[in-house]
Amino acid sequence: KNQVEQSPQSLIILEGKNCTLQCNYTVSPFSNLRWYKQDTGRGPVSLTIMTFSENTKSNGRYTATLDADTKQSSLHITASQLSDSASYICVVSAKGNTNAGKSTFGDGTTLTVKP
Amino acid sequence: EAQVTQNPRYLITVTGKKLTVTCSQNMNHEYMSWYRQDPGLGLRQIYYSMNVEVTDKGDVPEGYKVSRKEKRNFPLILESPSPNQTSLYFCASSNGQGGSYEQYFGPGTRLTVT
Repeated sequence: KNQVEQSPQSLIILEGKNCTLQCNYTVSPFSNLRWYKQDTGRGPVSLTIMTFSENTKSNGRYTATLDADTKQSSLHITASQLSDSASYICVVSAKGNTNAGKSTFGDGTTLTVKP
Repeated sequence: EAQVTQNPRYLITVTGKKLTVTCSQNMNHEYMSWYRQDPGLGLRQIYYSMNVEVTDKGDVPEGYKVSRKEKRNFPLILESPSPNQTSLYFCASSNGQGGSYEQYFGPGTRLTVT
């Protein structure tokens, strides 16, 4: 069964500090991995998208890495801001005739940035 | 403005009363999908559509129906809602599912079934 596991479940950091969120997956065959930011009560917003051949992708202060061999990804947030407080969701999509279009979501990491 | 819209945004209904949640996108996207989000369970895919008249089940399709008669619209139908379908629902669209296509989410519909 395809699964996406994220850690930690929640994280509290001080403003200005860096942090790293983890994502492990068992989705196969792999198509792409996405990181989303979701503010409470709102729809997720895409941060990064990586395919099999990409092992790092940046979007401002957000940098995602992908190790397709170990099936692990991380999202690093640099110089955190209060507005970074949100849930961060890892999503892995499969490819192939029977799996194309299916996405498996992690439960998310809730990040709280305190002043 | 490129967007995904959902209606209604909030709905309280009773068990067994058929309802439809509409989803529309103005980006000419081929791929559309419905998700539900519950506390502690994250987002789970209900149904998706790769193009007009092409739909398929996600991970939790029971109790739901969808249709894709036009490219821009992808309504979610609950023929006989039950309390366990109380949830936050999101519609999303993208220009594809593989590769590096970005997926855009709607603002969400909060459904309560009593």
